[in-house]
Amino acid sequence: SQQGEEDPQALSIQEGENATMNCSYKTSINNLQWYRQNSGRGLVHLILIRSNEREKHSGRLRVTLDTSKKSSSLLITASRAADTASYFCATDAYGNNRLAFGKGNQVVVIP
Amino acid sequence: GAGVSQSPSNKVTEKGKDVELRCDPISGHTALYWYRQSLGQGLEFLIYFQGNSAPDKSGLPSDRFSAERTGGSVSTLTIQRTQQEDSAVYLCASSSRGRQSYEQYFGPGTRLTVT
Repeated sequence: SQQGEEDPQALSIQEGENATMNCSYKTSINNLQWYRQNSGRGLVHLILIRSNEREKHSGRLRVTLDTSKKSSSLLITASRAADTASYFCATDAYGNNRLAFGKGNQVVVIP
Repeated sequence: GAGVSQSPSNKVTEKGKDVELRCDPISGHTALYWYRQSLGQGLEFLIYFQGNSAPDKSGLPSDRFSAERTGGSVSTLTIQRTQQEDSAVYLCASSSRGRQSYEQYFGPGTRLTVT
């Protein structure tokens, strides 16, 4: 399977709950990034975590990275209806000129 | 300043026709990327431009696909003799640095439908 592959699931949660999604990859990476996509159009960068970092926070987002397991998780706390979107992880592997994107997680937050 | 813009936003074309998709990156961004996203799928890398270096074309799916970047700014993705399997959203992104260690800024995409 390709680099940066999320657990292919659709999450449906109530507003105020937390949403967690996971991403696994296969080769050594320089960093891992998470993006959000609304309505199948442009992606918006959320957060970047480097290979020497284990956890990073940005607002209501918390990202973890476990390089020994080659996996990452994205946690959205206190979800809002506006968080409804697809979330993609993307890996920057050493020596590549590209990001490898996973297939994305669809998150629906019910008001 | 303005973000990445793409045109047209939607394109419907008949099988066998050629199409051109345009991308205007953020001013000053040296790196430009094209991706393709089929329905419900992740992003498929197509091509990467960095400054005046030769582009990385390794993701182009066939020789019907080509891309140019003029003057280190605007880029055009051309698909010749379109096929139905070319139907997808084509996304362009730019970055301020050459390496992908930095975030990419995406345009809204062009939705291509080949009938």
